[in-house]
Amino acid sequence: GQQVMQIPQYQHVQEGEDFTTYCNSSTTLSNIQWYKQRPGGHPVFLIQLVKSGEVKKQKRLTFQFGEAKKNSSLHITATQTTDVGTYFCAGRAQAGTALIFGKGTTLSVSS
Amino acid sequence: ETGVTQTPRHLVMGMTNKKSLKCEQHLGHNAMYWYKQSAKKPLELMFVYNFKEQTENNSVPSRFSPECPNSSHLFLHLHTLQPEDSALYLCASSQDAAQGRTGELFFGEGSRLTVL
Repeated sequence: GQQVMQIPQYQHVQEGEDFTTYCNSSTTLSNIQWYKQRPGGHPVFLIQLVKSGEVKKQKRLTFQFGEAKKNSSLHITATQTTDVGTYFCAGRAQAGTALIFGKGTTLSVSS
Repeated sequence: ETGVTQTPRHLVMGMTNKKSLKCEQHLGHNAMYWYKQSAKKPLELMFVYNFKEQTENNSVPSRFSPECPNSSHLFLHLHTLQPEDSALYLCASSQDAAQGRTGELFFGEGSRLTVL
């Protein structure tokens, strides 16, 4: 079955450093979504990527969808303590199928 | 306020008890989901309801029984659970087109379940 793998599982950075999490799917995806879950909270939708090679930015966050639509990345520039949490990618193999979540990358930031 | 409300927020039950988790969405969505989140595993999809019809049952044990009386309410009935069922149970909703799923998920705050 479809699998979505995410690395690293944990990442600790100093405030101001950059951070990247990578997502890889065993199958081609129709789209990929990213969610953030703060400690003790619930996942909150960040963005959806649909097109091959698509790049989207949200302030310090940059999201990329690979050319083959099998991988994606989330890059945070100059991390802040408010970036702490777990970042999940989630992909669909095709329309009509359920979202499959990666295991998430938990980011901690020290000031 | 996410538009998706889950009750109770915390639940402790014995293995012989019967309890239910409730989810209500105020977003006008037509699809609702139950996910299980534990320390060891990622977000595991349990059940999907689209237009009140169950469209996915992800090999969930029969001790978990979902109910979707209308497109705004979703229940998860629990009976004879095991300690390994202790986890955060998240409800989510989305606006899905009849021909496929394209919308993002709106999660509730979750029900933290502990089975003794």
